[in-house]
Amino acid sequence: GQQVMQIPQYQHVQEGEDFTTYCNSSTTLSNIQWYKQRPGGHPVFLIQLVKSGEVKKQKRLTFQFGEAKKNSSLHITATQTTDVGTYFCAASYNFNKFYFGSGTKLNVKP
Amino acid sequence: SQTIHQWPATLVQPVGSPLSLECTVEGTSNPNLYWYRQAAGRGLQLLFYSVGIGQISSEVPQNLSASRPQDRQFILSSKKLLLSDSGFYLCAWSVWGLDEKLFFGSGTQLSVL
Repeated sequence: GQQVMQIPQYQHVQEGEDFTTYCNSSTTLSNIQWYKQRPGGHPVFLIQLVKSGEVKKQKRLTFQFGEAKKNSSLHITATQTTDVGTYFCAASYNFNKFYFGSGTKLNVKP
Repeated sequence: SQTIHQWPATLVQPVGSPLSLECTVEGTSNPNLYWYRQAAGRGLQLLFYSVGIGQISSEVPQNLSASRPQDRQFILSSKKLLLSDSGFYLCAWSVWGLDEKLFFGSGTQLSVL
């Protein structure tokens, strides 16, 4: 199957600090999605990016899709303890099957 | 509204025993169905993908198989479990035109001993 690389694997931040996770593919993507998984739970959809260079915001979360549609990032401004969890990107090459990155586990210290 | 049911929540099976995990979706028609496996602390590995009844795409050669006997039913099976089959199995669905977002079931934690 296809592979998408996601870094970092872990991130520990103090509450109020920013957080960013990155995904990279060697092959051009059709679209990319982002999910959040709380400990013990299942992944929950956050957003989908389709257009080259697209930027979307959800409150403190900013999602970017690279111009070449090979990379994406999720940035959280001023983290809160409720942001704790693992963030996954899910890449698609033909708008149907989704290949997940290895995830970035975020821990926020109050 | 759409719902997805996956069971059982936890399962402990001996090596060499058979496996059957079932997933059903309600409230939508002709969904795309997926089986993913998540090893402890790791990402999700796509195992099987189905766009319709009897249509199964296998992503990784392995000890597992999948079937879709009905439009909204997806079954993951094995004839003889291996230790390496342990993991968290997640069923998911999506539909065309709904952002193709994946809606996940609550998962099955499988331990093969």
